[in-house]
Amino acid sequence: SQTIHQWPATLVQPVGSPLSLECTVEGTSNPNLYWYRQAAGRGLQLLFYSVGIGQISSEVPQNLSASRPQDRQFILSSKKLLLSDSGFYLCAWSLDGRSNTIYFGEGSWLTVV
Amino acid sequence: AQSVAQPEDQVNVAEGNPLTVKCTYSVSGNPYLFWYVQYPNRGLQFLLKYITGDNLVKGSYGFEAEFNKSQTSFHLKKPSALVSDSALYFCAVKTNYKLSFGAGTTVTVRA
Repeated sequence: SQTIHQWPATLVQPVGSPLSLECTVEGTSNPNLYWYRQAAGRGLQLLFYSVGIGQISSEVPQNLSASRPQDRQFILSSKKLLLSDSGFYLCAWSLDGRSNTIYFGEGSWLTVV
Repeated sequence: AQSVAQPEDQVNVAEGNPLTVKCTYSVSGNPYLFWYVQYPNRGLQFLLKYITGDNLVKGSYGFEAEFNKSQTSFHLKKPSALVSDSALYFCAVKTNYKLSFGAGTTVTVRA
């Protein structure tokens, strides 16, 4: 069966510091990969998605970037964090195809201080 | 643009009573609709989806949802709610690669 792991689970970073959140999927190949952000415990915003290695689509302009160096690895980065980057970040995966379900990881809490 | 709306921020029910969480959609073409549940400080868990076929979809943990094309609705239901069903519920529509979510409904089931 497929599993998704993301880490770290919790992160406290000062303003202006870099960020790296990692996500890996096991048990499948060539998945679609996603990064979502949830602010204030409610709304979910799609940040990036990837349909293949090196293929990244950005949904909103922001202080963040994403990379997919390997088939099942998805990394969310920032060179300099802002206070507004605080939130709950969720990695997710799916098989290709509109009818396929998107499955989420357990999330990473980022607090920028 | 494809979107879903959850008209209720909160739903409160007594344990053992029926639970309904409302969702309406605005989609051009055939809608691909999903329900997820989120417990505090956790990721989203998939409950069920409607792609095509029967309008009544059965999912995990005793939940079901009814797709109604004429009312453009996809309400989540559970015949008898449990205290453990207290959580945040999201309706979502999938277009091509992406899920777009409603604002979420907080469900509180009191003992």
